[in-house]
Amino acid sequence: DAGVIQSPRHEVTEMGQEVTLRCKPISGHNSLFWYRQTMMRGLELLIYFNNNVPIDDSGMPEDRFSAKMPNASFSTLKIQPSEPRDSAVYFCASSLAEGRRQGAFFGQGTRLTVV
Amino acid sequence: GQQLNQSPQSMFIQEGEDVSMNCTSSSIFNTWLWYKQDPGEGPVLLIALYKAGELTSNGRLTAQFGITRKDSFLNISASIPSDVGIYFCAGPSNTGGFKTIFGAGTRLFVKA
Repeated sequence: DAGVIQSPRHEVTEMGQEVTLRCKPISGHNSLFWYRQTMMRGLELLIYFNNNVPIDDSGMPEDRFSAKMPNASFSTLKIQPSEPRDSAVYFCASSLAEGRRQGAFFGQGTRLTVV
Repeated sequence: GQQLNQSPQSMFIQEGEDVSMNCTSSSIFNTWLWYKQDPGEGPVLLIALYKAGELTSNGRLTAQFGITRKDSFLNISASIPSDVGIYFCAGPSNTGGFKTIFGAGTRLFVKA
């Protein structure tokens, strides 16, 4: 299996622009997570989906952030409009339903820089 | 809310040395997960622990599930340069659902 695939790997954008991050989870996994990692705050869970349904989005920082999972093999995280403080590495991870005990598989991340 | 406290925050060691790091919480966990994050990559699961007192090895890595269920330890023997990275402990939230709590990580630097 190819693992969790994220695109793009790097994104540089100007403040105010819309940014869309993409994720393809591991086939057969029914839980998907979006995390943000910064030096100051470490790994923060933004949102997680189970069977394509958003279960907990309490970690989404602001209304500028939105996430969708239209089907079992694709998810997007959108920031509109982007701000410099959104600069971070964004990870997508997937797991089986009980993955919180077996752990999740992370993608390589998207490094976002907003200038 | 639940928190995981990792120590030390960072370690600078010489190649060949043994390493020990730990993770503590004020609340009980029924699973402890240890991840490693290489520079520029996503975290990768190293070891999972499911029972109090359990000791599990993965090559040069050994992890233990504390008896109180409020702590866990990770040891690395005979460190090598590729051990460099951030080591995270994690565990399932006790609030239900599929949320996992992560510690802030221990950054390991190995000097050849």
